[in-house]
This record gives sequence, structure tokens and C-alpha cells, in this order.
Amino acid sequence: DVKVTQSSRYLVKRTGEKVFLECVQDMDHENMFWYRQDPGLGLRLIYFSYDVKMKEKGDIPEGYSVSREKKERFSLILESASTNQTSMYLCASSPTTGRMSTEAFFGQGTRLTVV
Amino acid sequence: AQKITQTQPGMFVQEKEAVTLDCTYDTSDPSYGLFWYKQPSSGEMIFLIYQGSYDQQNATEGRYSLNFQKARKSANLVISASQLGDSAMYFCATRFITGANSKLTFGKGITLSVRP
Repeated sequence: DVKVTQSSRYLVKRTGEKVFLECVQDMDHENMFWYRQDPGLGLRLIYFSYDVKMKEKGDIPEGYSVSREKKERFSLILESASTNQTSMYLCASSPTTGRMSTEAFFGQGTRLTVV
Repeated sequence: AQKITQTQPGMFVQEKEAVTLDCTYDTSDPSYGLFWYKQPSSGEMIFLIYQGSYDQQNATEGRYSLNFQKARKSANLVISASQLGDSAMYFCATRFITGANSKLTFGKGITLSVRP
């Protein structure tokens, strides 16, 4: 089975801290995604990566950056955490775009609270 | 930009009845995929069903079927014979090709409650 693992299930950080959310997948997928999920707003794409060291902004990239140094790992970085970044963060991966029918596989989510 | 719309705020259905969850999308791309995911209270995202834009027939997976109306740009999920375990949040998502890459975009979701 495909496995997407996020490093933490729950995280509490202070305002202004630099925060790293890690995501690892074990199926050699080219595409990886970071979303945040807020009540009433659904899943909003922050960044996605289609290859090592390649990334594209999603719909709400402000205040975030990403890193993909290895194919299996995609990190989301909050450069200076703020309270409005308190949210559920979901990582997903999927194979190359040539297989449109393949769904994305999700991690269990990280609930981040910034105080 | 691509847009996915799920306008139903919350849906209720009696156990064993069928229910339709609405989804419309907006794209000028000829090639795209449509997905439905289920998110129970535990938070995991569970893939349910897929429909390709060139597929001639509506997709079906067990009790799930997709009412795909390409000209209207709608991809409604039909759940037949609802079960209590179907109570969850349901998300419609689309995958478009943008350049060489494939961006997966979600709607805001619909909450379904199944009554015994």
C-alpha cells in the first residue's frame, strides 16, 4: 500500500517561530502537494512539487515555502509562524501527470496551533 | 484559474436511501480528471471514484456513481443505499494539466449526515 507519512499529528508553536512540517512517501511518486484545511474553506493548495527541486505555487503560498531535496520528502516551511496559520495541514502524493486517473494519496494530517 | 464549486452546506439522508452531492467546475482545458474523496471524522482522506473528461460512460464504484454532465461542467456524486458509515465530509476535486504539471484542486466540501 502507498504510504504518506507526516512527521507530526499535532504541533504547537509560538508566534514568530520557524516551523518545519515534513512529509515522506514510499511509492516513488513524482508529484507531492501541501494543503491546508480550514472549516468552510475546504482544502486549499499551498505548494506542489512535480520533481526533485521543482516547485510551483498553489493558491495560498504567502507565508510559506517548501523544499524538495529528495524525491520521497517534501517539506513545508513557515518562515515566521503567525496565529492565522493555525490549521490542519495535509500532504499528498501522486504519480506522474501521464496517469491522470491516478488519485492522490494523503497523509494523516498535522494539526498546527500557533500561540 | 480553475474553480470547483460545492454549494450544498450540509445534506441529510435517511439510511438506505440514495443521495446526490453536487459539484460543478470551471475550466477551458479539454483534458481533466474529476475525483471524489470522503473524509470521516477521523480526518483521513479516502478516495472514492474517478471520472476522466473523455470517458464516455459515467464512473461507478460499488454504491458510488458519478453523474457526469460535461456540457454543464458538473460531476455529481450519487451514493445509493446510504449507510450510517457514510456520514462524513465529501470533497470534489479536479486535476488539470497546467503546462507540464498537474495541479489537484478541491472544492469546499459537503457534510453528509445519514439518519437511522
